Amino acid sequence: KAGVTQTPRYLIKTRGQQVTLSCSPISGHRSVSWYQQTPGQGLQFLFEYFSETQRNKGNFPGRFSGRQFSNSRSEMNVSTLELGDSALYLCASSLVQQPYNEQFFGPGTRLTVL
Amino acid sequence: LAKTTQPISMDSYEGQEVNITCSHNNIATNDYITWYQQFPSQGPRFIIQGYKTKVTNEVASLFIPADRKSSTLSLPRVSLSDTAVYYCLVGDNTDKLIFGTGTRLQVFP
Repeated sequence: KAGVTQTPRYLIKTRGQQVTLSCSPISGHRSVSWYQQTPGQGLQFLFEYFSETQRNKGNFPGRFSGRQFSNSRSEMNVSTLELGDSALYLCASSLVQQPYNEQFFGPGTRLTVL
Repeated sequence: LAKTTQPISMDSYEGQEVNITCSHNNIATNDYITWYQQFPSQGPRFIIQGYKTKVTNEVASLFIPADRKSSTLSLPRVSLSDTAVYYCLVGDNTDKLIFGTGTRLQVFP
């Protein structure tokens, strides 16, 4: 069974631009969560989607948004990029909603904002 | 909202047992405790999950005292390949999931 895939793997943007990251969960998984990882703040929860509905959201500004499609694939969007948005963005999928099940993480998308 | 803290780093030698503790003083009644392992340039990988007392699987044990204000991940007989960062994650289905600060484990031959 294929693992969680994230595209693109690397991305370079400039301040003020917007970016869309994509995540394809493991087949059959209905929950997709997004995390931001930085050296200074560590792993921070962004949001979780389950059956196309956002169930939970972390403490991030409204510039960070996401959605989930009927096939469980998910996208996250960051508008008006800031230098501090440079990070590794991780997507994780699980069979059911968190935290009651093991999450499987993708390799991440490394975003650099110049 | 649970807040977790972990030791920044730990050193061990091959074959030893390693215990990594996570402190979560504000854990809520419905919160679960999950531990993940992360290697450089990879996403975290699930190790074990528990709610109370003790849980054991093929790779680790998780000890949770009665007050649940802390938890200890126990790795028996570590090897060089266990060198990684270990995170605890605390939360429930209505709360924001909070990752610990991470513990960098270095295993020496």
